[in-house]
Amino acid sequence: EAQVTQNPRYLITVTGKKLTVTCSQNMNHEYMSWYRQDPGLGLRQIYYSMNVEVTDKGDVPEGYKVSRKEKRNFPLILESPSPNQTSLYFCASRHLGFGTHGQYSATNEKLFFGSGTQLSVL
Amino acid sequence: SQKIEQNSEALNIQEGKTATLTCNYTNYSPAYLQWYRQDPGRGPVFLLLIRENEKEKRKERLKVTFDTTLKQSLFHITASQPADSATYLCALGAMDSNYQLIWGAGTKLIIKP
Repeated sequence: EAQVTQNPRYLITVTGKKLTVTCSQNMNHEYMSWYRQDPGLGLRQIYYSMNVEVTDKGDVPEGYKVSRKEKRNFPLILESPSPNQTSLYFCASRHLGFGTHGQYSATNEKLFFGSGTQLSVL
Repeated sequence: SQKIEQNSEALNIQEGKTATLTCNYTNYSPAYLQWYRQDPGRGPVFLLLIRENEKEKRKERLKVTFDTTLKQSLFHITASQPADSATYLCALGAMDSNYQLIWGAGTKLIIKP
């Protein structure tokens, strides 16, 4: 089954204690992204990656790190979590828009999301 | 500033009626717009994509329109059912955002039996 898997589903931690949220996809997608979702603010992009070893900042990258050593995995690292990072986090992946025959289609760019990680930083 | 706006208030619709959700944007030159469904505590699920040169797209009971003059997309669910109750998100892809999706905050739809 095609899916994006995030772990853990729920996480409660304390300020300053380093944590990692894992994300893995089995669809051979080039593009992966992390979002946080807060009430009334919608999805805000933290970091994204267009391919292995290629990562870029999104709209709210401060306090987060990512790595893309393998195509399927895109972990999110909080080196020193703070209470303002309490949020619902989603990992997502998609193709870059070019299908198997090299033709571009925006339809290829639909995002597949994980089930989310609810993080609370005390 | 650039932004995407959806009705923040919940939309209550009687079962069987057509639900219409609105997505407005400013200061973007969109390439396409996507609509997603999100259930509580779950990740968004892709529903439909409409390109900037398309006026309308349909999928079963869903219909999306895109008016680049009005800078607006409308999302319709016909013959609505209680199972359609969810939050619906619109997301815009534009060259001036490097095709990173810009998201609306979503509209909560409640279908009453």
